[in-house]
Amino acid sequence: KAGVTQTPRYLIKTRGQQVTLSCSPISGHRSVSWYQQTPGQGLQFLFEYFSETQRNKGNFPGRFSGRQFSNSRSEMNVSTLELGDSALYLCASSLVRGGLVSPLHFGNGTRLTVT
Amino acid sequence: GQNIDQPTEMTATEGAIVQINCTYQTSGFNGLFWYQQHAGEAPTFLSYNVLDGLEEKGRFSSFLSRSKGYSYLLLKELQMKDSASYLCAVRPYSGAGSYQLTFGKGTKLSVIP
Repeated sequence: KAGVTQTPRYLIKTRGQQVTLSCSPISGHRSVSWYQQTPGQGLQFLFEYFSETQRNKGNFPGRFSGRQFSNSRSEMNVSTLELGDSALYLCASSLVRGGLVSPLHFGNGTRLTVT
Repeated sequence: GQNIDQPTEMTATEGAIVQINCTYQTSGFNGLFWYQQHAGEAPTFLSYNVLDGLEEKGRFSSFLSRSKGYSYLLLKELQMKDSASYLCAVRPYSGAGSYQLTFGKGTKLSVIP
């Protein structure tokens, strides 16, 4: 079974630009979450989608947005990029089985550098 | 609020046993996860505890005490390939069934010969 796939692996953008990152979850996984990872803050939750609906959002400005498509693939967008947005962006998918908790399965991430 | 603390770095010798501690203070609790992350790679799932006690999985074990807000990950018979960051994460209770996790900043473990 293929794992979580994120594209692109690396991105270099300049301040003020916008960027779109893509994530394909494991087949059958309908929950997709996004996290930002930086050396200083560690992994921080951005948002989670299930059945094309955003269920939760972390404490990030409105410049960060996302969406999920009917095939569970997800995209996140960052507008008006700032230097502080440089980070590794990780997507994770999870199998939803009633009330049972299943672990997050992470992709290899997109390394975004803002100059 | 959510607060998860774990040591920043640890060093241990190949073949030895190491224990990585994690303490948490969260507004709710619906399980604790441990993940391993090698440099430049994705975090991979190691263990999950929702009830008090010890969960054993090969060379790795994880313990939880909900009353103390405390967990540890125990790695036995350390191998060089165990050099990685170990992330503790809590799933705060959410009635909507959210899979949001709150992560600690990770413990970087270095295994030396």
